[in-house]
Parts: sequence; C-alpha cells; structure tokens
Amino acid sequence: NAGVTQTPKFRILKIGQSMTLQCTQDMNHNYMYWYRQDPGMGLKLIYYSVGAGITDKGEVPNGYNVSRSTTEDFPLRLELAAPSQTSVYFCASRPRAFEDQPQHFGDGTRLSIL
Amino acid sequence: AQSVTQLGSHVSVSEGALVLLRCNYSSSVPPYLFWYVQYPNQGLQLLLKYTSAATLVKGINGFEAEFKKSETSFHLTKPSAHMSDAAEYFCAVSRNFGNEKLTFGTGTRLTIIP
Repeated sequence: NAGVTQTPKFRILKIGQSMTLQCTQDMNHNYMYWYRQDPGMGLKLIYYSVGAGITDKGEVPNGYNVSRSTTEDFPLRLELAAPSQTSVYFCASRPRAFEDQPQHFGDGTRLSIL
Repeated sequence: AQSVTQLGSHVSVSEGALVLLRCNYSSSVPPYLFWYVQYPNQGLQLLLKYTSAATLVKGINGFEAEFKKSETSFHLTKPSAHMSDAAEYFCAVSRNFGNEKLTFGTGTRLTIIP
C-alpha cells in the first residue's frame, strides 16, 4: 500500500515553461488536495477535489489548473511558470466526508523556477 | 471563517524537558482541531485530533493536547523531549467533522538540545 505518491520529487523550471506535477493515491479516497508550502507561511490550499470530475478552487489557485478524471489521480498543471511559484507542493487525500479520517500527505515536490 | 495562530516560529528545548507548542484558534462554529508533524523532506503526518469527544487528546509519540474553549487554545505538549521529536509542527482547524478543508497555522520548528 503506497499511500499518496508524488512525482517528480525535485524539478527546476525556467520562467515561462510549463509542467505537470503528478499525484496518485491507491487508497480509493474521494477527496484530494493540492497545497503549496512556503517558508514561514504554512500550507496554502491551491485546489481540491471531492471526487472524479469535480474540482474546486482553494485559497491560492491563480496560475494553476487541475483535473480529476479518475479517483486515483489528481495532477496539478503550471502553464506559465513564474518565480513566485517556487515552492514545495504537497498532495493529500482522505476518504469521503463525515468519515473520521485525517488527510494523508505525499512527500512533496520541490519546485524551483529560475 | 476559521484560522489558527501558532505562537513562536522556533522553539528549542533540552532533551528530557517539557515540550509546549502553542496554538490558538478562531472559529465561528465549534472547531475541529489537528496537530500535524513534518520531518525533513517528508509530508505531514497526523499527531492527534480534537473532534469534541474529549477535551484532552492523546496522540502518537507521547504527545497530547488539551482543548480549552475559554482560552480558544489547543496547545501541544510532551512531558519529556526526545531527539527524534525535532521537526516542524503545524496546527490546523476545520469547521466540519469531515475536515473537508483544513486551515493551517504557519508552523513551529522544534529543536532539541542534547
């Protein structure tokens, strides 16, 4: 049981490039989340999904896009990378609402935009 | 809207001493509160959670937290610090039982002095 898997672990992008951060979970969880973590700022929610085909914006969605075509996968897309998007990105998942279970986190993707 | 404030971005304690990490919350409804721990280059792991069943909550690795409504606090404690406790700790709040969306504090980095 792998839990939440994020790829890649590290990446350096040039300004204006695009990339997709991959996230997959094998726990059959309905809810999935993308966060970014900046030093001294805690975690900020970018996007989340309550099930396949359903996504919604979080606190800091600008510059990002997501899709949820399957229960397992929740990729995060950066279309035009900007230095302000340098951060550590975490994907998380949890079972459906009203189940007393915490969010499970992946190990993160460390992204630098130069 | 709910929020949490973690007092002290860095805390240092001697090995064997009491660990106290502070968290105050603001919520318009009875909150659900969580403490997560993050070890270097890893994702977040749940330490403990308060969901109104009991005001004193025991978690993993000897940590516990007490919900005090009158003080709007949910401080994390451990009687005797161990070197392996060195990590970053995040307090988080959710307004509903299913923790659909979490709001994180800015984190407290705990250093253990040998």
